[in-house]
Amino acid sequence: KNQVEQSPQSLIILEGKNCTLQCNYTVSPFSNLRWYKQDTGRGPVSLTIMTFSENTKSNRRYTATLDADTKQSSLHITASQLSDSASYICVVSVEGAGSYQLTFGKGTKLSVIP
Amino acid sequence: EPEVTQTPSHQVTQMGQEVILRCVPISNHLYFYWYRQILGQKVEFLVSFYNNEISEKSEIFDDQFSVERPDGSNFTLKIRSTKLEDSAMYFCASSTTQDRESYEQYFGPGTRLTVT
Repeated sequence: KNQVEQSPQSLIILEGKNCTLQCNYTVSPFSNLRWYKQDTGRGPVSLTIMTFSENTKSNRRYTATLDADTKQSSLHITASQLSDSASYICVVSVEGAGSYQLTFGKGTKLSVIP
Repeated sequence: EPEVTQTPSHQVTQMGQEVILRCVPISNHLYFYWYRQILGQKVEFLVSFYNNEISEKSEIFDDQFSVERPDGSNFTLKIRSTKLEDSAMYFCASSTTQDRESYEQYFGPGTRLTVT
């Protein structure tokens, strides 16, 4: 069964600090991996999309890495801001028939405090 | 910036009643999706829609659910006879393409459905 596991479940950091969120997946065959930011009560907003051949991708203060061999990804947030407080969701897309489907992780709830 | 909109933001209904959740996708998008998120759980795929027909649906999307694009702008999700376990946040999304490498789905703000 296709699964996406994220850790930690929640994280509290001080404003200005860096943090790294982890994602492990068992989705196969793999098409691409996305990281979304979801503010409370809002829809997910895409941060990055990475294909099989990409190892690293950056979007402003967010840097995602992907190791397709070990089926692991990470999202590194640099110089955190209060507005970074949200759930960060790892999402994997399956290749082939049914590629419309995205498999979501449960997310890591990040709280940035002053 | 174009965005996906959804109405209502919150819908309360009694068990057994029919509800229709409405979405206006981004205007030049061709692919439409519904997802749900039960409180405290992960987002789950329900259905995708293209060219006026369902492209794919999950096992959650049973006969109680239906989707429709009644005109050129709206995309609706109907639940015929709601159950308590249908209480969730329902997200609509749309995309321009199904290119597996790069297609981006844009999500609406969601409709919170509460079944009592």
